[in-house]
Amino acid sequence: KNEVEQSPQNLTAQEGEFITINCSYSVGISALHWLQQHPGGGIVSLFMLSSGKKKHGRLIATINIQEKHSSLHITASHPRDSAVYICAVSGGGADGLTFGKGTHLIIQP
Amino acid sequence: KAGVTQTPRYLIKTRGQQVTLSCSPISGHRSVSWYQQTPGQGLQFLFEYFSETQRNKGNFPGRFSGRQFSNSRSEMNVSTLELGDSALYLCASSDGTSGGARETQYFGPGTRLLVL
Repeated sequence: KNEVEQSPQNLTAQEGEFITINCSYSVGISALHWLQQHPGGGIVSLFMLSSGKKKHGRLIATINIQEKHSSLHITASHPRDSAVYICAVSGGGADGLTFGKGTHLIIQP
Repeated sequence: KAGVTQTPRYLIKTRGQQVTLSCSPISGHRSVSWYQQTPGQGLQFLFEYFSETQRNKGNFPGRFSGRQFSNSRSEMNVSTLELGDSALYLCASSDGTSGGARETQYFGPGTRLLVL
């Protein structure tokens, strides 16, 4: 069974700061997802990646398959980025997605 | 395109009852996955349906079941409700050709179930 660990669990930062959220997993995977969940429950898929790096606007996601580690970066953070960020992996012997516990991010103006 | 819709949005039931939740995927998507989210366990995968067949299943008891119709709409059913079934139930749709977990998933708003 894949174990997915995220760090930090909680993060408070000032507007404009560079944010990094980390995700590590224990067993080889076929894909890794970064999700964003706002208060109220709605979940948006930010990235799905299996190698390398992806960028969308101010968000960057990287993955190192050998080290079983991924990072989500937010540049020029803004209060609207405040949300819970969840890492999820597929493969590694499990059907469906296995989720991390999430990182609760608060960006203060 | 319209997004993923789920009905009802909120539901209150009592222990022992059963409940049926509905999910309509994005038009053209053939895979629907269901997830349970609780404060204690976080998000957990329930099952995935593709072309009216259950393709993958998570580690939940048989009280949790689902089905998918020919138009890709999906329902999940929970029988003999327990207090611990109180949760946010989310469905997500995807194209389905690679398997839901290996595709970008589009989530619905969820159904919040409270069991008393």
